[in-house]
Amino acid sequence: EDQVTQSPEALRLQEGESSSLNCSYTVSGLRGLFWYRQDPGKGPEFLFTLYSAGEEKEKERLKATLTKKESFLHITAPKPEDSATYLCAVQANSKLTFGKGITLSVRP
Amino acid sequence: DAGVIQSPRHEVTEMGQEVTLRCKPISGHNSLFWYRQTMMRGLELLIYFNNNVPIDDSGMPEDRFSAKMPNASFSTLKIQPSEPRDSAVYFCASSSLRGNTEAFFGQGTRLTVV
Repeated sequence: EDQVTQSPEALRLQEGESSSLNCSYTVSGLRGLFWYRQDPGKGPEFLFTLYSAGEEKEKERLKATLTKKESFLHITAPKPEDSATYLCAVQANSKLTFGKGITLSVRP
Repeated sequence: DAGVIQSPRHEVTEMGQEVTLRCKPISGHNSLFWYRQTMMRGLELLIYFNNNVPIDDSGMPEDRFSAKMPNASFSTLKIQPSEPRDSAVYFCASSSLRGNTEAFFGQGTRLTVV
């Protein structure tokens, strides 16, 4: 059974304080690892897809990396508007399995 | 494209009543997913369809839940009879089977069963 574990469950940062969010996974036949952002009352919003170990992708202050067992979402100099829940998901066949998410709060 | 469209956005119903949630996927997408989100369990996959055919319904909690996809542009998730423990946010998502396979989510339906 595919499993995704995200840590920590919650993270509070000061504006400008860089950090990393972790996603550990076990899956048979990984087709892709996905990061989503979810704001309160809204559906998850797609951020990145990573397909193979060693791959990295960047978008503004976010950078996602992938190894054979885990993925990291690095947040550089975060701003209050980066506050959200960040979800990691793995895809095997067509099926997406999500972790429980990491709630990030960035204080001004 | 307007994205994945779900209706209603909010539903309050009494225990024992039938509830039907609706989803219109993004045009051209051929995979459709129904998820349920709660604080305790996070996002759980209930069922998914490829080319309108149900592929995996192992996440459907029990026989009270059923889902259909009569055509490529419409799907329903039905709960009959509803129970208070069904209260959650239900999301529909769609993706393509080829090329970029990321799933795009609707805004969700918040279901409250009293």
